[in-house]
Amino acid sequence: NAGVTQTPKFQVLKTGQSMTLQCAQDMNHEYMSWYRQDPGMGLRLIHYSVGAGITDQGEVPNGYNVSRSTTEDFPLRLLSAAPSQTSVYFCASSYRETGVGEQYFGPGTRLTVT
Amino acid sequence: AQSVSQHNHHVILSEAASLELGCNYSYGGTVNLFWYVQYPGQHLQLLLKYFSGDPLVKGIKGFEAEFIKSKFSFNLRKPSVQWSDTAEYFCAVRSGNTGKLIFGQGTTLQVKP
Repeated sequence: NAGVTQTPKFQVLKTGQSMTLQCAQDMNHEYMSWYRQDPGMGLRLIHYSVGAGITDQGEVPNGYNVSRSTTEDFPLRLLSAAPSQTSVYFCASSYRETGVGEQYFGPGTRLTVT
Repeated sequence: AQSVSQHNHHVILSEAASLELGCNYSYGGTVNLFWYVQYPGQHLQLLLKYFSGDPLVKGIKGFEAEFIKSKFSFNLRKPSVQWSDTAEYFCAVRSGNTGKLIFGQGTTLQVKP
């Protein structure tokens, strides 16, 4: 198993540009999520999905869109990048049911918005 | 709303010192509890987890944590730290059947050789 994969690893955007961060998992996990990590803030949940076709907002959803057309993929779209979105983004997946397994994390995407 | 609080933001220890990092959460129902570690430049790795049963759980690299339900706490401990334990440590709580995981703010541990 490849686990959770993310692309790209690094990205620099100009303010106002749009882009999609890719996330895929091959463990047949129902639950997938996106976090952003900022110094002193821990990991904050942006969006999550409990299965194909179902998504919901986390703590900091503004400026981001997600969709889940397949179990494997959960892309994160930045519609119009802002400097406040400079961060490290982590994708994660797990089984949905409480008490079953742990959450696995991808290697992260470091995004800089100038 | 659910929240997770880590009381120590930055801890500096000498090698062989004992470690205890505090974690408290606010949720009254059944929870799964986790400690993750992030070494410099790397992604998160699971240190240990609590689902049910014995409230004292042992993880990798000599770490352990104790779940105290009455105090809503899940503190991380290690009897003797090493320089290689320098990292950021995150407590996390999962509740309900959504898979949603809420993280604390993180604690940066610096171990001096």
